[in-house]
Amino acid sequence: DGGITQSPKYLFRKEGQNVTLSCEQNLNHDAMYWYRQDPGQGLRLIYYSQIVNDFQKGDIAEGYSVSREKKESFPLTVTSAQKNPTAFYLCATGGGPNEQFFGPGTRLTVL
Amino acid sequence: AQKVTQAQTEISVVEKEDVTLDCVYETRDTTYYLFWYKQPPSGELVFLIRRNSFDEQNEISGRYSWNFQKSTSSFNFTITASQVVDSAVYFCALSEGTSYIPTFGRGTSLIVHP
Repeated sequence: DGGITQSPKYLFRKEGQNVTLSCEQNLNHDAMYWYRQDPGQGLRLIYYSQIVNDFQKGDIAEGYSVSREKKESFPLTVTSAQKNPTAFYLCATGGGPNEQFFGPGTRLTVL
Repeated sequence: AQKVTQAQTEISVVEKEDVTLDCVYETRDTTYYLFWYKQPPSGELVFLIRRNSFDEQNEISGRYSWNFQKSTSSFNFTITASQVVDSAVYFCALSEGTSYIPTFGRGTSLIVHP
């Protein structure tokens, strides 16, 4: 089946820890995106990548980092510099003039 | 800069009522693309429709219909005879032809009561 997988579904982080969220796609799409969703805030763009080995900051990149070593994979690291990381994180592919395809999301909670 | 406004934060209706979700956008580009997505309680966004700026035709798909009006920069979404399964958060999004990076509205939470 073609699609996007995100893992884990739920993630708990202690103060000061870095955590990495996984996003994998087999849709053969060049572009991949990470969004953060908070209640009442809609989707805010963290990072995006339009091609392997290249990525750009979105609107709220501070405290996050990404890599794009393979077309299929676009992991997001939430660093200790992100002061309020509790949120729902969504990975997507596609975009541009076409619709995006979204993964099931990862819910991150800081303990 | 592009912007999408969904002024309705939450709408509550009783099953079988018709409901319209508003979307107003701002862009300086003449080429752009508009989208609606549905986010059910499970969390994964599902694509509903795409419109480009050169196609102002309204669209109907079953109980769903979309009204695109460039004169008012609006792309509204109507659900006819709503059902409980329509309960979800609905997002409107805009992608400009120059940047291709989507901007989302804050979403409208639709609650359909039996």
